[in-house]
Amino acid sequence: EPEVTQTPSHQVTQMGQEVILRCVPISNHLYFYWYRQILGQKVEFLVSFYNNEISEKSEIFDDQFSVERPDGSNFTLKIRSTKLEDSAMYFCASTRDGGADTQYFGPGTRLTVL
Amino acid sequence: GESVGLHLPTLSVQEGDNSIINCAYSNSASDYFIWYKQESGKGPQFIIDIRSNMDKRQGQRVTVLLNKTVKHLSLQIAATQPGDSAVYFCAETIHSGSARQLTFGSGTQLTVLP
Repeated sequence: EPEVTQTPSHQVTQMGQEVILRCVPISNHLYFYWYRQILGQKVEFLVSFYNNEISEKSEIFDDQFSVERPDGSNFTLKIRSTKLEDSAMYFCASTRDGGADTQYFGPGTRLTVL
Repeated sequence: GESVGLHLPTLSVQEGDNSIINCAYSNSASDYFIWYKQESGKGPQFIIDIRSNMDKRQGQRVTVLLNKTVKHLSLQIAATQPGDSAVYFCAETIHSGSARQLTFGSGTQLTVLP
């Protein structure tokens, strides 16, 4: 069964450093999402992406965040200058279309900012 | 602001019993609801969904009920098994633009007792 994959599973970085989190959505999906989950808290929406541009973004998704689909399979989240409070699980999700379609989530990347 | 929340943070049930997990939502514009299961260290896993034009939907061992009058959503798990132990999140979404952002509730920890 097709699934969303994410790499790395765990990323440790120093405050102020740039990180890139990678996702490979399900191959025939067209809509892509990033969410984050701070330890013990609920999952929060960051950004959605369709047709090579951002569709929606939340207040969390400020100028230090960016997303890109560099090729036909990868979808990346870049954090330019990490802060301690960026430590969280980051989940990628994808859907076939933007209607009432199920969002399938990847296993997540645990980001730890020291 | 609008939010999705869960009534009970923890729920313990005996193996073989039925489980009921509840969720309240406050955004009357939401038109699609999803239940996700999250096991430790993993991403949210789709369980079942329901559109706002329905009151009930059944899956394998799971049933979702939607009461739009009181803005309440529930997940019923029949014959709960040890593998059902996880955190369960409800999520709501509103068709907005070309991609739907999900708003998650805070989660209920379901523990199945032997």
